[in-house]
Amino acid sequence: GAGVSQTPSNKVTEKGKYVELRCDPISGHTALYWYRQSLGQGPEFLIYFQGTGAADDSGLPNDRFFAVRPEGSVSTLKIQRTERGDSAVYLCASSRGANTEAFFGQGTRLTVV
Amino acid sequence: QKEVEQNSGPLSVPEGAIASLNCTYSDRVSQSFFWYRQYSGKSPELIMSIYSNGDKEDGRFTAQLNKASQYVSLLIRDSQPSDSATYLCAVRGSGSARQLTFGSGTQLTVLP
Repeated sequence: GAGVSQTPSNKVTEKGKYVELRCDPISGHTALYWYRQSLGQGPEFLIYFQGTGAADDSGLPNDRFFAVRPEGSVSTLKIQRTERGDSAVYLCASSRGANTEAFFGQGTRLTVV
Repeated sequence: QKEVEQNSGPLSVPEGAIASLNCTYSDRVSQSFFWYRQYSGKSPELIMSIYSNGDKEDGRFTAQLNKASQYVSLLIRDSQPSDSATYLCAVRGSGSARQLTFGSGTQLTVLP
């Protein structure tokens, strides 16, 4: 596609529920990143994929968070047993390679009520 | 712990002036540096990248990098009200640490 696409753009869920957030990177981009951003803060790193494998998942806050990229393209961020503190904008970015410019999608605003 | 520090502002400049945004980073082996612009309610938009010491100019924007001082800056010449946004500095490490580490951003307001 022309840009990074994230769905849904907004998600409201109840505390304790499971959610999946989807990211479709720019075609041909091998690197994919997930970040989350709270109001007034910079994006906080969660996980980085190079191809199908998670090259660095050191930013995942706990084991309720998991992400996959089974075919090296689309990625899904999965959050189990959501908590109100998980409310944030979840951003996905992709880049052509490990040392090139990264471009962001429009984000998914997650609200846990 | 890799850190990227920015003055959170807010920074206000009059229209037509030069806006100067600064960023320092802690990881000495960082390889590449980026400036993103983020309008309220929108996602970050890449505006500049810089990889080597010195200046890089693109239109009204100039990025400056000094690896010895671990310092990167962004100058915006002839500032316009449409430049009012939060500017995020991002640094990419080396080796296995390829993720971008972001500062908290500087909020810029250009006054008409």
